[in-house]
Amino acid sequence: QKEVEQDPGPLSVPEGAIVSLNCTYSNSAFQYFMWYRQYSRKGPELLMYTYSSGNKEDGRFTAQVDKSSKYISLFIRDSQPSDSATYLCAMSVHYGGSQGNLIFGKGTKLSVKP
Amino acid sequence: DAGITQSPRHKVTETGTPVTLRCHQTENHRYMYWYRQDPGHGLRLIHYSYGVKDTDKGEVSDGYSVSRSKTEDFLLTLESATSSQTSVYFCAISESMTSGNTGELFFGEGSRLTVL
Repeated sequence: QKEVEQDPGPLSVPEGAIVSLNCTYSNSAFQYFMWYRQYSRKGPELLMYTYSSGNKEDGRFTAQVDKSSKYISLFIRDSQPSDSATYLCAMSVHYGGSQGNLIFGKGTKLSVKP
Repeated sequence: DAGITQSPRHKVTETGTPVTLRCHQTENHRYMYWYRQDPGHGLRLIHYSYGVKDTDKGEVSDGYSVSRSKTEDFLLTLESATSSQTSVYFCAISESMTSGNTGELFFGEGSRLTVL
């Protein structure tokens, strides 16, 4: 079993839909959870960052962590065509130092149709 | 945008030839990383550096070497390229995670390498 599992999609939704992107993981020691967004032929960029369990909201984006289920989610409200990208979850155990132990999911490709 | 420049951006080479990819940063960040991204595998860490001349292996380091002689430059070398090393290579930089810093990775634009 991979440490981090993420459905690669592709996921296609109409503009205005609520999008739910998910990752599951097996290492209960993960404490730091991130979502990166990657546009086509570009490098990933950090979208959301959460520590431990709970929710974090930033505009139309909500990141949710359920450590008891080893499950994290990213919700996008009122999705826009500009949200079309690949979304990668990432998680790590350690605090401080490098991100050398950061584990990425394979990414979910999202397409929002006008 | 974070000041990260990768070169070359595109390269086609033949099996058995040496290849060097360069990453240059203007942010003075301590940590630098090389990832490869492949369909079905996502982003995988090759090597990373935690300072000048200080490097460590990542998940997929076989067939790759790195060097960091200056804070701003991190080189990835394929001594003898193979077709399995055809991929998109991303350089990334970061600072330490602290109470005021998430340790966010800033990525370059990627270098697309094809080994024939």
